[in-house]
Amino acid sequence: DAMVIQNPRYQVTQFGKPVTLSCSQTLNHNVMYWYQQKSSQAPKLLFHYYDKDFNNEADTPDNFQSRRPNTSFCFLDIRSPGLGDAAMYLCATSSIYNEQFFGPGTRLTVL
Amino acid sequence: GENVEQHPSTLSVQEGDSAVIKCTYSDSASNYFPWYKQELGKGPQLIIDIRSNVGEKKDQRIAVTLNKTAKHFSLHITETQPEDSAVYFCAAMKDSGGYQKVTFGTGTKLQVIP
Repeated sequence: DAMVIQNPRYQVTQFGKPVTLSCSQTLNHNVMYWYQQKSSQAPKLLFHYYDKDFNNEADTPDNFQSRRPNTSFCFLDIRSPGLGDAAMYLCATSSIYNEQFFGPGTRLTVL
Repeated sequence: GENVEQHPSTLSVQEGDSAVIKCTYSDSASNYFPWYKQELGKGPQLIIDIRSNVGEKKDQRIAVTLNKTAKHFSLHITETQPEDSAVYFCAAMKDSGGYQKVTFGTGTKLQVIP
């Protein structure tokens, strides 16, 4: 089945140790998004790619970076995780002007 | 920017009863309104959506209504079942340079009591 896949599902890192989260899609969608979701809150958009064009939300900290080497894959890099970065990270995809499909998320724990 | 308010924040219903969740939005340019169901530890899943040229849409036990004039839309779940228990998010979306910019509501935790 076509889908959005995130790896790993659970990631534990140490304070300040860089971490990379992975997202892949078989939907061939142009747009890929990264969201941060903290407990009992709505997902918060960090940035998105429209094809190769990167679009950062104004309030996304510089600590968060992203790469999209091809249509199928997108990575979220957290350069120096702090305790406040512990959250669920959601990847989503969409075709132009259509609904977003979410992956299962990666739960990040920062020790 | 767009602001989406969602009520109630929590909702408990008896199995078999109906559940209604309401959302209001502020930006008249929003033209697409999806509803997502999120179960514990999982990503949001689209359950139903409605576009601004339609007033109502139904899919089995789930229906969504939209009032563009009043800028509000609602999710209706009939004959609720325990597996309907989850957090539900409404969202308002508008076209923005090739993608849909989405604003989520704050979520409603629905508990269906067997």
